[in-house]
Amino acid sequence: KAGVTQTPRYLIKTRGQQVTLSCSPISGHRSVSWYQQTPGQGLQFLFEYFSETQRNKGNFPGRFSGRQFSNSRSEMNVSTLELGDSALYLCASYSGRGNTEAFFGQGTRLTVV
Amino acid sequence: QKEVEQNSGPLSVPEGAIASLNCTYSDRGSQSFFWYRQYSGKSPELIMSIYSNGDKEDGRFTAQLNKASQYVSLLIRDSQPSDSATYLCAAYTGGFKTIFGAGTRLFVKA
Repeated sequence: KAGVTQTPRYLIKTRGQQVTLSCSPISGHRSVSWYQQTPGQGLQFLFEYFSETQRNKGNFPGRFSGRQFSNSRSEMNVSTLELGDSALYLCASYSGRGNTEAFFGQGTRLTVV
Repeated sequence: QKEVEQNSGPLSVPEGAIASLNCTYSDRGSQSFFWYRQYSGKSPELIMSIYSNGDKEDGRFTAQLNKASQYVSLLIRDSQPSDSATYLCAAYTGGFKTIFGAGTRLFVKA
């Protein structure tokens, strides 16, 4: 079955702009988590969605937001981009049936200039 | 602050040797533990999960969990150059959140 699909793969944005990233989880998976990965900080948890509801949120400013649609696809949005937002953004797909094994998409590499 | 700690490495082992990767976690309520492998420029790939104390073996990989010591390890037997990657330890802490360590870089020398 198809894996986790993230689009776009690469983005270059200017400071102050906003960006929307998309994630389609594995078919049948209902839970999606987003992570930010940087060389210095490793994988940092952004938020988790299940059935269109955000169930947990990490320690990121309000500029980072997300949502999930009825087909389990998820988007995350970052407004007023800062240079420090440059990172690899990873989406993880979970079955949502108590199984906590995460399957990652290829990620979106965001560069803010 | 719930944390997962790993030695960043790099850990260098010769081909054919056993690579030992270690991880500690701070939240005693953590329920599930995972090891992910991440090649440079790629996304993390799940290689092992462990839920109860003891050892779990899968091919050349053995995961070990000691909840009393809050310690998780991964042994890679007969290490191959293709095992060279960053290994991420992760703990599911409940609340629909998985915490990741910063990763240990492993180099296997041919």
